[in-house]
Amino acid sequence: GNSVTQMEGPVTLSEEAFLTINCTYTATGYPSLFWYVQYPGEGLQLLLKATKADDKGSNKGFEATYRKETTSFHLEKGSVQVSDSAVYFCALSRGNTPLVFGKGTRLSVIA
Amino acid sequence: EPEVTQTPSHQVTQMGQEVILRCVPISNHLYFYWYRQILGQKVEFLVSFYNNEISEKSEIFDDQFSVERPDGSNFTLKIRSTKLEDSAMYFCASSEARGGGEKLFFGSGTQLSVL
Repeated sequence: GNSVTQMEGPVTLSEEAFLTINCTYTATGYPSLFWYVQYPGEGLQLLLKATKADDKGSNKGFEATYRKETTSFHLEKGSVQVSDSAVYFCALSRGNTPLVFGKGTRLSVIA
Repeated sequence: EPEVTQTPSHQVTQMGQEVILRCVPISNHLYFYWYRQILGQKVEFLVSFYNNEISEKSEIFDDQFSVERPDGSNFTLKIRSTKLEDSAMYFCASSEARGGGEKLFFGSGTQLSVL
């Protein structure tokens, strides 16, 4: 079946550090891939998405590239801020099927 | 900006008790979902609901679970007789159209603790 595996947290970084959160997936066919973010006290929000191989999703300085050959969708940001502290979820969906999520990775950014 | 609202934010109950988790989806949305996340595990799909009936459900969504849209605004998840393993964060989501992730709006969750 479809599944998503993302790196275990928590991840603690200093402000302006480079961030990578790894995500790999298993799916039949060609899923759409997503990163969701949950800030403290809020719901999950879509951060970025990519719908086909080699697509790059980007938003708020975050990027992720859909790599079909490595079945990966790693999240990166060049310079994190304290306000980026949140839980990040990798997810996939095929067509209209329900989202399949990873466990989430908690990021803490220290000033 | 419109948002999905879930109440309560925390619920503590005794094993065997019934609980109802409440959600107010975005007003013009037609599709409704429940997901849950047991501590340390993945966020898991429970059920989707459209046109006053369940459109899809997972293996987790057994006879102990039910969903209802009792009026034009609320969407509820009922657990008939709670078990310890039902302790989790429960997320409600809604969407205007059927589809994948980019169309879903999530609430902030209800943390259910079964003692």
